[in-house]
Amino acid sequence: ELKVEQNPLFLSMQEGKNYTIYCNYSTTSDRLYWYRQDPGKSLESLFVLLSNGAVKQEGRLMASLDTKARLSTLHITAAVHDLSATYFCAVDLSFGNEKLTFGTGTRLTIIP
Amino acid sequence: GAVVSQHPSWVICKSGTSVKIECRSLDFQATTMFWYRQFPKQSLMLMATSNEGSKATYEQGVEKDKFLINHASLTLSTLTVTSAHPEDSSFYICSARGARWGYTFGSGTRLTVV
Repeated sequence: ELKVEQNPLFLSMQEGKNYTIYCNYSTTSDRLYWYRQDPGKSLESLFVLLSNGAVKQEGRLMASLDTKARLSTLHITAAVHDLSATYFCAVDLSFGNEKLTFGTGTRLTIIP
Repeated sequence: GAVVSQHPSWVICKSGTSVKIECRSLDFQATTMFWYRQFPKQSLMLMATSNEGSKATYEQGVEKDKFLINHASLTLSTLTVTSAHPEDSSFYICSARGARWGYTFGSGTRLTVV
């Protein structure tokens, strides 16, 4: 059974600081997704990582994937209040059995 | 880009009644649709996977007679919560997967059973 774990579960950080959210998964996969969820809302797609060593950046967020370590990171640079949200990683199983398994989520609060 | 429309956004129903939630892919054909539920401050839990024209595959622990899923066309899937009870109150989110667009999520439905 695929397990996806994120840490930390809660993160409170000051504006302007940098931090990293970690996503570990238990089964071989080379497709990993990052999503953002605001309170009461559905998911917003942030990144799709499709191969080992993939790195993608959008604004103050950068995601990377190490399939050998079964680890993905979401790095936040110079955080701003607008980034406050819950962030989920999700892992896709192999072809023929595609379905997303979500991580536990990281609730990020940016303090002015 | 790919858009998935989910309705209603919220619904309040009496205990014992049934509620239907619709999920439509607006500009692509969804070969597979997924239904998730999310309790407050928790992650998304996959309930079932459905392919057009075939029976849904339910995850372990999900009652198939209670959560009826119909995927009658490549653009529409419905989830019916039958004989709803307060413990079924949750946020339900659908997702559609097409050949090209990967996973696209609906806006979610907040169900409150009173």
